[in-house]
Amino acid sequence: GIQVEQSPPDLILQEGANSTLRCNFSDSVNNLQWFHQNPWGQLINLFYIPSGTKQNGRLSATTVATERYSLLYISSSQTTDSGVYFCAVVRDFGNEKLTFGTGTRLTIIP
Amino acid sequence: EPEVTQTPSHQVTQMGQEVILRCVPISNHLYFYWYRQILGQKVEFLVSFYNNEISEKSEIFDDQFSVERPDGSNFTLKIRSTKLEDSAMYFCASSVTRRETQYFGPGTRLLVL
Repeated sequence: GIQVEQSPPDLILQEGANSTLRCNFSDSVNNLQWFHQNPWGQLINLFYIPSGTKQNGRLSATTVATERYSLLYISSSQTTDSGVYFCAVVRDFGNEKLTFGTGTRLTIIP
Repeated sequence: EPEVTQTPSHQVTQMGQEVILRCVPISNHLYFYWYRQILGQKVEFLVSFYNNEISEKSEIFDDQFSVERPDGSNFTLKIRSTKLEDSAMYFCASSVTRRETQYFGPGTRLLVL
């Protein structure tokens, strides 16, 4: 099956800092989603971004499908940004299941 | 904004008991999914459901698992005889089409003792 790797596995930053999270995938995809898992375990949709660039407030994401990677940018981090960020993809050609990466655990220190 | 809902939020059961996890997908969505996340691990796909039948399932989804859409709104996951290793957070999700955003519910945390 498709492999999804995220880096870094852990990231600790001071409040106000910027960060870049990376997601690499091993095959062509027709769906890529970024999620934030909050301390209560809920998966919050951040972006649906199989290609291109999107922005939502302090967050933005870019997917370069031809090079099989996606980046999530968080600017001016706040403590509420802490949690685990997952990238998940649907492999092209007849598939519909999301395959998740192992996540990046982000900790924002006040 | 419409959202996926799940009940119960937490369930504790004894090994060998049957459990039913319930989900109400977003009303105009046609594809429904169950995923699970064992504590500290990544989220794993269990099954997808479309047009009243399973369209894809993982190797985890063995004979002890079943899914059903008993009416026009609910989507259920049944685990027939629970094992200790079934302890996990179970997420329901839905999407309009197979290629569009999958929206996740808040999850049911299942603990098997």
